[in-house]
This record gives sequence, C-alpha cells and structure tokens, in this order.
Amino acid sequence: AIQMTQSPSSLSASVGDRVTITCRASQGIRNDLGWYQQKPGKAPKLLIYAASTLQSGVPSRFTGSGSGTDFTLTISSLQPEDLATYFCLQDYNYPRTFGQGTKVELK
Amino acid sequence: EVQLLESGGGLVQPGGSLRLSCAASGFTFSNYWMSWVRQAPGKGLEWVANIRQDGSKTYYVDSVKGRFTISRDNAKNSLYLQMNSLRAEDTALYYCARDQTPQYSGVFYDAFDIWGQGTVVTVSS
Repeated sequence: AIQMTQSPSSLSASVGDRVTITCRASQGIRNDLGWYQQKPGKAPKLLIYAASTLQSGVPSRFTGSGSGTDFTLTISSLQPEDLATYFCLQDYNYPRTFGQGTKVELK
Repeated sequence: EVQLLESGGGLVQPGGSLRLSCAASGFTFSNYWMSWVRQAPGKGLEWVANIRQDGSKTYYVDSVKGRFTISRDNAKNSLYLQMNSLRAEDTALYYCARDQTPQYSGVFYDAFDIWGQGTVVTVSS
C-alpha cells in the first residue's frame, strides 16, 4: 500500500498567517490526491481533489499543489474557522490511503 | 437536501458480526461510487472499501478483506457494510461517503463530497 506522510503533525499559527501542510507519497501518484478538513466531532469535508482543483464552495484561500510524490495544501490567510485537522488522501491505486493528519491550532 | 445517514453500529463481542447501513437521499444514488471510511477513537481516517455504481466492482483495505463485504441496493438508495469476525481493532466511527468521481483528461479522481454523520462500532468483550 502507498504510504502517505504528512508534515507537520501539528502547527500553531495566528489569524492571517500563511499556513502550509505537506504530504509525501511513498511512490509517485501523479496528481491523484485530495485534501480533507475535519473539525472536532464532525465528518470530514472535501477541500481539494486532483491535487489542485478546489471543491465548489470552498474558500479560495485554500490552494493545493504538487504532483508525483510531493504535495502541498496552503491556507493563504488563516481564519478562526480553519482550525481543524487536515488529511491528504491518495486515489492513485487501491487501497486508498490517508495521511496521518495535521492539526492546525491557534497561537 | 443531499444527505447520507448511517445506522447499525453498536457494541459487539470479538468474533461477532454487524451490518451497517447508509441511507442516501436528495441525489441519484445509482450514479455514484460509494465508500466506507472509518476513524478509530482519537486516530486518523482509514479508507475501508468502495463499490461501483452498479455494484459490479468492490475494493477493500487489506485488513478487512475476507471479513467485510460492501454492497448496495440502488432501488432502496442504500449502501451496506457487512462486518464479520470483528476484532478490537475494528472499533471506530464508520462513515459512508459519496464519491463525485470527477474526470479530467480521461482520468477519474476520487472526491468524497458528501459524508454521513457516522455510526459507532465498538468491539469488546
């Protein structure tokens, strides 16, 4: 199975900060990657698919980039409602595998 | 309103069985791949299985192969997960999710755009 490694595992940032989360695949996965946001006690929410395509209704401060093995989720200006855990998910092959998550907290 | 509603979770002894259900509403269920995703207490997300629109293809994570079976009934707008030979490590919140399966340049992607609220499975003696 493809292993997805996210970094950092957690981060603290202030409102307005630029936040970057990375996800590395154990082998090349083209651009077959999505990003999900999960708030405490809630189901995950789709942010980005195909590495860089923003899901309808998701604020434009979220951007995704990368291909092959290295991917990035960037929040251009952190908002209080962005406090959550973020997961990447590869859909290049089966079984689908998630990263371990990155918890974003307020400084 | 587009919605998924899971049910069927509960407490079961190791080696036991449970059948989870996911009722879909507000969209044409038969048009979508569907998945089960689980989350152990305090842990991350784990994709469990998925099923093609017509039920003709299914895929599983290795840890559940031979024990879990995903199925669907398009006439009833329902997704199922039959779980047998349950183990303590299957304890988790189980979500069903719709895959909008966008296509670009002939490539299909996963995009789990609708999720249920989850149903809790606890395997313990």
